[in-house]
Amino acid sequence: SQQGEEDPQALSIQEGENATMNCSYKTSINNLQWYRQNSGRGLVHLILIRSNEREKHSGRLRVTLDTSKKSSSLLITASRAADTASYFCATDGSFQKLVFGTGTRLLVSP
Amino acid sequence: DVKVTQSSRYLVKRTGEKVFLECVQDMDHENMFWYRQDPGLGLRLIYFSYDVKMKEKGDIPEGYSVSREKKERFSLILESASTNQTSMYLCASSSGGSSGNTIYFGEGSWLTVV
Repeated sequence: SQQGEEDPQALSIQEGENATMNCSYKTSINNLQWYRQNSGRGLVHLILIRSNEREKHSGRLRVTLDTSKKSSSLLITASRAADTASYFCATDGSFQKLVFGTGTRLLVSP
Repeated sequence: DVKVTQSSRYLVKRTGEKVFLECVQDMDHENMFWYRQDPGLGLRLIYFSYDVKMKEKGDIPEGYSVSREKKERFSLILESASTNQTSMYLCASSSGGSSGNTIYFGEGSWLTVV
């Protein structure tokens, strides 16, 4: 069962611009996580936001969570070519089973 | 540095073959997971284990089985490989306890069944 849906499916920007990705989910959650995946590699954890938090920052990343709308957004500021990757949101279930969305492919051009 | 190691990065197997995908983690994690990833479908959970010798079905367990004889090792088994099992397989682990723990992924195993 797919919980999260990322939007847009693909995003192409220039270096220095900001990139915003959105995630919508269906059921109530304890927390929501964002992961990054470089092409053909495993996923790497970026940031976790708990259901009682509205916003969280980590370096150039800013995540917001709106539980009333069942949505989250990931903002990458001042993007770099090295940020090119796919980004996934994931919501938790029992035994920490994460349910992933289909991802947003981000391309940052120099 | 935390590490989840998948033994095979690329495999090509024939239809009907038995396939073993091995995963080892060095973080003493209780939970281990196997996902498959397909274009347009994202990651789908096949099986997970929250303790040695314990296993639970995920969303798409059909055609797969798993084994967890030791805490650090979680194996995915395709009893009789089929072409629709061609995919990227990702192993992951996390510590037990309350939700919200980071899940660590291996680098993935690309399986092609011909």
